[in-house]
Amino acid sequence: GAVVSQHPSRVICKSGTSVKIECRSLDFQATTMFWYRQFPKQSLMLMATSNEGSKATYEQGVEKDKFLINHASLTLSTLTVTSAHPEDSSFYICSANRDSSYNEQFFGPGTRLTVL
Amino acid sequence: AQKVTQAQTEISVVEKEDVTLDCVYETRDTTYYLFWYKQPPSGELVFLIRRNSFDEQNEISGRYSWNFQKSTSSFNFTITASQVVDSAVYFCALSESMDSSYKLIFGSGTRLLVRP
Repeated sequence: GAVVSQHPSRVICKSGTSVKIECRSLDFQATTMFWYRQFPKQSLMLMATSNEGSKATYEQGVEKDKFLINHASLTLSTLTVTSAHPEDSSFYICSANRDSSYNEQFFGPGTRLTVL
Repeated sequence: AQKVTQAQTEISVVEKEDVTLDCVYETRDTTYYLFWYKQPPSGELVFLIRRNSFDEQNEISGRYSWNFQKSTSSFNFTITASQVVDSAVYFCALSESMDSSYKLIFGSGTRLLVRP
């Protein structure tokens, strides 16, 4: 139990296009999901916290108009990288909190984005 | 402010050696959670342990053991009789109860290379 999936696992796109990444909790409901970005040989940096039915909370320095987050249901959150540029190339990882009263996050396998 | 420090950037050991990965944290919260995750080359984070601030008992799980010392704000991780499959990046992370979202603050990671 407690499986989180991400789709796609890998995407290559041209500069200027938008890319949508899906994060799904497969066997539990997640009121809170998190989006992280990881550059090569670096740590995971939290981008935003996504709550079902409300606006995402973005970390300082993360452009909310560039990284659109939608958490429309208890099992799905999406991250859209708008007008992607080569510097947006990174490994994007989502996680889901199974129980809002219990500190337990489950991580997806990640999505590797390459912007040409 | 909360912070997690993993001073060891890379460690290289020969198989069967014991190795300790250090983690030092900073928090103003009295209730918090500490985690260790393993990130193999595939990229997917593997959960290893969660420890809350009220539980200072050391824990052993097979070849893995953890030493939590509140007095020094450290949560170190030891692998005994290391194996090549232990080669990965290991992250220590902190989550504070003051933050109801339970977001994770990651350390910079320690890259462990176990040589045959």
